[in-house]
Amino acid sequence: EVQLEQSGAEVKKPGESLRISCEVSGYRFTDYWIAWVRQMPGKGLEWIGNIYPGDSDITYSPSFEGQVTISADEIISVAYLHWGSLKASDSAIYYCARRGMGVTQGLDFWGQGTLVTVSS
Amino acid sequence: EIVLTQSPGTLSLSPGERASLSCRASRSISSNYIAWYQQKPGQSPRLLFYGASSRATGIPDRFRGTGSGTDYTLTISRLEPEDFAVYYCQQYVGSFWTFGQGTKVEIK
Repeated sequence: EVQLEQSGAEVKKPGESLRISCEVSGYRFTDYWIAWVRQMPGKGLEWIGNIYPGDSDITYSPSFEGQVTISADEIISVAYLHWGSLKASDSAIYYCARRGMGVTQGLDFWGQGTLVTVSS
Repeated sequence: EIVLTQSPGTLSLSPGERASLSCRASRSISSNYIAWYQQKPGQSPRLLFYGASSRATGIPDRFRGTGSGTDYTLTISRLEPEDFAVYYCQQYVGSFWTFGQGTKVEIK
């Protein structure tokens, strides 16, 4: 059974760093793209970027380039999303999702989301 | 960047009615790279269609995805109570992906 298990909710202060995780199971981690998606309170879905763990190929949305860092550890089948310096506007739910096999596939499995709250 | 515009923003319908949701791209794209998702309150999104018209696993056949070029449509033939949710289209052409802003289907 394919599962994407995300780390728990975080409460941070502006300027702090944070790394959230997405641990996958039930399939070969290195064979599928993982995407990160943001959902701000009461708003829609925003694509942050993707990583292909097989070769660490990473693509960022222009809106998020330089604001976050995506990485993966293929040994433990975990993808990460990292902030070096959080802002209040980073408060949102962050989802990881797997892209199905093949370039025409959508995001077929999703994590449960990680709520990030940034407040002084 | 390809911008996806969904309309209407909100659709107020009764169970049993037909829903038609539009997703328009800022430029023509291959239908191979359009997906639709359903999101209910407090839940993660769920894939409905990929490649514009290929139904994902477990999606009932009252859902239908169609379209080409710049215009794509998600149709729900007869709304069931569990279909009231927010629906998003997504394009994944090349390296840069985007989502539409969503259409909320609410009970009238």
